[in-house]
Amino acid sequence: SQQGEEDPQALSIQEGENATMNCSYKTSINNLQWYRQNSGRGLVHLILIRSNEREKHSGRLRVTLDTSKKSSSLLITASRAADTASYFCATVTGANNLFFGTGTRLTVIP
Amino acid sequence: DGGITQSPKYLFRKEGQNVTLSCEQNLNHDAMYWYRQDPGQGLRLIYYSQIVNDFQKGDIAEGYSVSREKKESFPLTVTSAQKNPTAFYLCASRADRSGSGYTFGSGTRLTVV
Repeated sequence: SQQGEEDPQALSIQEGENATMNCSYKTSINNLQWYRQNSGRGLVHLILIRSNEREKHSGRLRVTLDTSKKSSSLLITASRAADTASYFCATVTGANNLFFGTGTRLTVIP
Repeated sequence: DGGITQSPKYLFRKEGQNVTLSCEQNLNHDAMYWYRQDPGQGLRLIYYSQIVNDFQKGDIAEGYSVSREKKESFPLTVTSAQKNPTAFYLCASRADRSGSGYTFGSGTRLTVV
């Protein structure tokens, strides 16, 4: 399976703190994407980073990619209670299909 | 607004029955996907279609079937051969060939009773 893994599986922080989630994958990729899922809902695309990029920012989100280590991290700065959700990384390979990690459940305590 | 519509939101199936989950998109996307999500798990690819009248098996296609007769529609049938069908099913579509622009529907929760 090409499915990746997120670490940690669950993360609980206070509002205002930063949250860091990590993703490891197994095969060469074209790009890596991060998605957010609120409980029982569909996924929302957050950010995409291509294999030739090392870092990308979008608002309070910062994503890094290390292709030599086959890993990525998602940093959410100044977290809010509304950031409470599950976060998934997904890799895209030559077939252009998405393969998802197992997710990190983030809880931001007001 | 453009998007993906999945219906129904909740579906109950008796053992031995086939059920069909609907997925419709008005985004003019070529590629469409079906994923299955189990509690506390990531998403696993069931079937995908890159173009009308063509589809391919994903990682867990056994017990499922699909069709792609129209660009806008990619229905998934959960057959009686699927031994553990209770799960959350998500449909997605993709804008272009570069792997970017995946849009997801809001999902269908299927329960076997």
